[in-house]
Amino acid sequence: SQTIHQWPATLVQPVGSPLSLECTVEGTSNPNLYWYRQAAGRGLQLLFYSVGIGQISSEVPQNLSASRPQDRQFILSSKKLLLSDSGFYLCAWSEGTGADEQFFGPGTRLTVL
Amino acid sequence: AQKVTQAQTEISVVEKEDVTLDCVYETRDTTYYLFWYKQPPSGELVFLIRRNSFDEQNEISGRYSWNFQKSTSSFNFTITASQVVDSAVYFCALRPPNDYKLSFGAGTTVTVRA
Repeated sequence: SQTIHQWPATLVQPVGSPLSLECTVEGTSNPNLYWYRQAAGRGLQLLFYSVGIGQISSEVPQNLSASRPQDRQFILSSKKLLLSDSGFYLCAWSEGTGADEQFFGPGTRLTVL
Repeated sequence: AQKVTQAQTEISVVEKEDVTLDCVYETRDTTYYLFWYKQPPSGELVFLIRRNSFDEQNEISGRYSWNFQKSTSSFNFTITASQVVDSAVYFCALRPPNDYKLSFGAGTTVTVRA
């Protein structure tokens, strides 16, 4: 069966510091991968998605970036965090055909102070 | 453009009551996919159901049931005989064909009291 991992689970960072969140998927090949952000008390916003290694599509312009160095690894980064980057970050995957439901990881709760 | 509206922000019920969550969507596509997800306090989103727009048959899974009405652009979700473990935020989502983006509603927080 497929599993998706995210780490760290929680993170507290000062404004202006860098960020690196990691997501890995097991039990599947060539998945579509997604990064979402959920601000407190709000819905989910798609940040990035990837259909293959090195292929990243950005949905929202911001100071975040994503990379996919390996087939089942998806990384969310920032060079300098803003207060507004605080939130709950969720990674998700779906089958490579693109037609199926997305399955989400446990999430990373980021607080920028 | 896609839009999903979950007008109910919060619903509170007593255990064993039924609860219905409303979801109304807007899309110009003739084919699309609808989803429901559950987000318990732990934070992880749990997939509940996917419905294709060309399949209007209602579905039941245990205490969960879904009513898809294409004519009114609604995809409502009912929990029968609610339990405390049903307490969570429930999201409705829409995805057009040939697109990877899920458009989520704002979510409905369900609290089931013992």
